[in-house]
Amino acid sequence: EVQLVQSGAEVKKPGESLKISCKGSGYSFTSYWIGWVRQMPGKGLEWMGIIHPGDSDTRYSPSFQGQVTISADKSISTAYLQWSSLKASDTAMYYCARQAAAGIGAFDIWGQGTMVTVSS
Amino acid sequence: DIQMTQSPSSLSASVGDRVTITCQASQDISDYLNWYQQKPGKAPKLLIYDASILETGVPSRFSGSGSGTDFTFTISSLQPEDIATYYCQHYDNLPWTFGQGTKVEIK
Repeated sequence: EVQLVQSGAEVKKPGESLKISCKGSGYSFTSYWIGWVRQMPGKGLEWMGIIHPGDSDTRYSPSFQGQVTISADKSISTAYLQWSSLKASDTAMYYCARQAAAGIGAFDIWGQGTMVTVSS
Repeated sequence: DIQMTQSPSSLSASVGDRVTITCQASQDISDYLNWYQQKPGKAPKLLIYDASILETGVPSRFSGSGSGTDFTFTISSLQPEDIATYYCQHYDNLPWTFGQGTKVEIK
């Protein structure tokens, strides 16, 4: 079964760092781009960025450039989203998702989501 | 960034009704347009890609059309399990962006 499994919910304080993960299985992890999508409480979907695990080529939305870092470790089929200094406004559900195929900019497989809560 | 504007933001319809959602892009995106369904508490699910191609396993009551700047998503006969929020998303260039969503409820 093709799936993406994300790490569990996190509760952090402002200023703390965080790295959440997304592990792929059931397919060739290095052959498909992985994207990250933010959903703030009660709000819509926001495209954050995308990485190709095969060569770590990474693209960011200007809205998130410099605010987060996307990375991947192909040896363990895992992508990451990290923050160096969290803010309360980072409170959201974060989804990783697999790009369907080269040339099709759709996400066909999604992780279950990781809820990040930042509160003092 | 390309802006995606969906309408309506919410709608209420009866079981069996035909439901239509529109999505307008701020510039020509050809057919680089996808539709997702998100049920409460769940991850989004891809329904349609490239404006009109049904993802494998998606019921045929869902359909999409359009190109350029104007797109339409249709549920031909609304079912109780279709209660969800629907999002369009373009991928003409980076950053890909989503519409603000359309919440579909049963009347």
